[in-house]
Amino acid sequence: KNEVEQSPQNLTAQEGEFITINCSYSVGISALHWLQQHPGGGIVSLFMLSSGKKKHGRLIATINIQEKHSSLHITASHPRDSAVYICAVVAGGGADGLTFGKGTHLIIQP
Amino acid sequence: NAGVTQTPKFQVLKTGQSMTLQCAQDMNHEYMSWYRQDPGMGLRLIHYSVGAGITDQGEVPNGYNVSRSTTEDFPLRLLSAAPSQTSVYFCASSYTGGGARGTQYFGPGTRLTVL
Repeated sequence: KNEVEQSPQNLTAQEGEFITINCSYSVGISALHWLQQHPGGGIVSLFMLSSGKKKHGRLIATINIQEKHSSLHITASHPRDSAVYICAVVAGGGADGLTFGKGTHLIIQP
Repeated sequence: NAGVTQTPKFQVLKTGQSMTLQCAQDMNHEYMSWYRQDPGMGLRLIHYSVGAGITDQGEVPNGYNVSRSTTEDFPLRLLSAAPSQTSVYFCASSYTGGGARGTQYFGPGTRLTVL
C-alpha cells in the first residue's frame, strides 16, 4: 500500500507570500494528482502529473519520480487560495483508484 | 452538463437501516469511484468501476455494495448501516481511457450520519 505524506499539515501565510506544499509517497506511481477542497467541501482537480512540471495561472506543480516527491507552489498568494490542498497518487496502469494524503490546510491572511 | 451529481446531500440513518447513495454523471465517463472522507483520515477509496458491468474493491469496501448497470450511474449501497459509516461520501468520475490517471471530477458529496 502506498503511503502518501503531505507537509505541512497546516500553513498560515500573509497575502502575497510564495507558498510551497510538499507530497512524498513510498511506492512508485504512474500519476499524481493535486486537488483543492474549498471551505464549503467541494473538491476540484488542479493538476495531474506523471513527470516534470505544470503551470496554471499562479499555481505550479512539480514531480520528481526518482525521489518520489511532488510540490505544489502558489505564487502571489491571495485569501481566495485558502483551502485544503490534497495530494493523491495512482499506482500501476491507472485502473486502480487513488490513494490520498491527509491534506494541507492553507489559510492566507489579508 | 450537470457534471457529477450526488443525492441526497444529507442523510441521517439509524443503526441497521439500509440506504443507497446515488451518483450520476452526464459526461460519458467510463471510470467512476466512491470515496469516504473522515476527519484526520483523508479520503479513502471504497469501490470503483472502469465501465458498465465492471466493479472492484478499494481500500475500505466492507459494509458497502456497488453495481454499474449503466455508464451514467454508480450507486453505493449500505446494507446495514453502522455508526462507523458516519462520514462524508464523494463520488468521482474520469474520462474514458484515463481511469484513475485522468482528471477527476467530483460530486458535491453526501454527509451521512448513522445514529
